[in-house]
Amino acid sequence: QVSLVESGGGVVQPGRSLRLSCAASGFTFSDYGIHWVRQAPGKGLEWVAVISYDGSNSYYADSVKGRFTISRDNSKNTLYLQMNSLRAEDTAIYYCARDGIHGALDIWGQGTMVTVSS
Amino acid sequence: DIVMTQSPDSLAVSLGERATINCKSSHSVLSSSNNKNFLAWYQQKPGQPPKLLIYWASTRESGVPDRFYGSGSGTDFTLTISSLQAEDVAVYYCQQYYTTLFTFGPGTKVDIK
Repeated sequence: QVSLVESGGGVVQPGRSLRLSCAASGFTFSDYGIHWVRQAPGKGLEWVAVISYDGSNSYYADSVKGRFTISRDNSKNTLYLQMNSLRAEDTAIYYCARDGIHGALDIWGQGTMVTVSS
Repeated sequence: DIVMTQSPDSLAVSLGERATINCKSSHSVLSSSNNKNFLAWYQQKPGQPPKLLIYWASTRESGVPDRFYGSGSGTDFTLTISSLQAEDVAVYYCQQYYTTLFTFGPGTKVDIK
């Protein structure tokens, strides 16, 4: 069964850091680009970042550029999102999603909640 | 960045009736290299992650009922639910993947009248 499972969310104070993980199974992880997409409470979807299949390229939304770093370990079938200098507006459910062969996001995890609050 | 807009913000349709959602992009998402529109539609039910319904603007993902129909090209797109079922109550998002930095529309909430 193809799946993505996020972990690492929690409550963190403004200015602190947090690292999210996304564990993949059921497919050849190293063949696919993977994205992070977030959703603030009661709001719409916001694309956050993407990393290429081999980790050689990554891109970020302006809202997180310079603060967040996406990375992957293909030997562990795991994606990461290192989030530094967190702000209240980073509060959201964070989803990882697979970049399908057609380019759209065909597999999504259940998400992990990040709350930035003092 | 390509800005995506959707209309209406919400709609209520009777069971068995048609629901139509519009999506507009600030830049064409039609690729000249393969003549495909880099536009997807997602369905999100409460408490669940989004689910891919349509890609290439009009190709249904495997397992998606054929009452879901995507159309349009360039900058203007439509998602039609031909005969609304109770399980279709959800928020629907369009998304462009023409540029490396993906963008989503704000979403359209579909309810039963």
